[in-house]
Amino acid sequence: GENVEQHPSTLSVQEGDSAVIKCTYSDSASNYFPWYKQELGKGPQLIIDIRSNVGEKKDQRIAVTLNKTAKHFSLHITETQPEDSAVYFCAANDSGYSTLTFGKGTMLLVSP
Amino acid sequence: NAGVTQTPKFQVLKTGQSMTLQCAQDMNHNSMYWYRQDPGMGLRLIYYSASEGTTDKGEVPNGYNVSRLNKREFSLRLESAAPSQTSVYFCASGELSTDTQYFGPGTRLTVL
Repeated sequence: GENVEQHPSTLSVQEGDSAVIKCTYSDSASNYFPWYKQELGKGPQLIIDIRSNVGEKKDQRIAVTLNKTAKHFSLHITETQPEDSAVYFCAANDSGYSTLTFGKGTMLLVSP
Repeated sequence: NAGVTQTPKFQVLKTGQSMTLQCAQDMNHNSMYWYRQDPGMGLRLIYYSASEGTTDKGEVPNGYNVSRLNKREFSLRLESAAPSQTSVYFCASGELSTDTQYFGPGTRLTVL
């Protein structure tokens, strides 16, 4: 089955800096890669996703890039703000099934 | 739309007790999922239902049963709770055609 590795496990940045979180996946048949943000005490919220037919997608201060050859994808947050502080999860779909495999998460802390 | 709702929000059980976690969605999605979240382990799939009338095991199904009551509702039952089932449980719903999943707010369960 699919295996998703996520790095780093924790990331501390200053307000205004950029943050990058990286994930690798094992199944070359995976074609859908969502990112979720989870604030303390809440459920994961979908913030951006990318499909394998595109290499990059942007939504205001967040962007996701995908390298199918290397089987890795990354989340980029620019001009970070304290409210970006949360745990971020990447995921990849499991080919042939209607399921997702998640990375173990990255705790992002943005200091004012 | 309320999205995905879960009840209860918190629950404390004694070892050996049983309980059912309830989940409902109002987005007319075909697929529903139950995950557990433990520190450092990310989100692990317990059971899922790709469509009304079907259920399948995920990564960690032991000790749990599920019921897809109708298209809207998907319940998770612990027949004889164990301390190892102390966790936060999330329900999600989504569409097979997109693989996108939307999460509920979670149930925090403690088994003493």
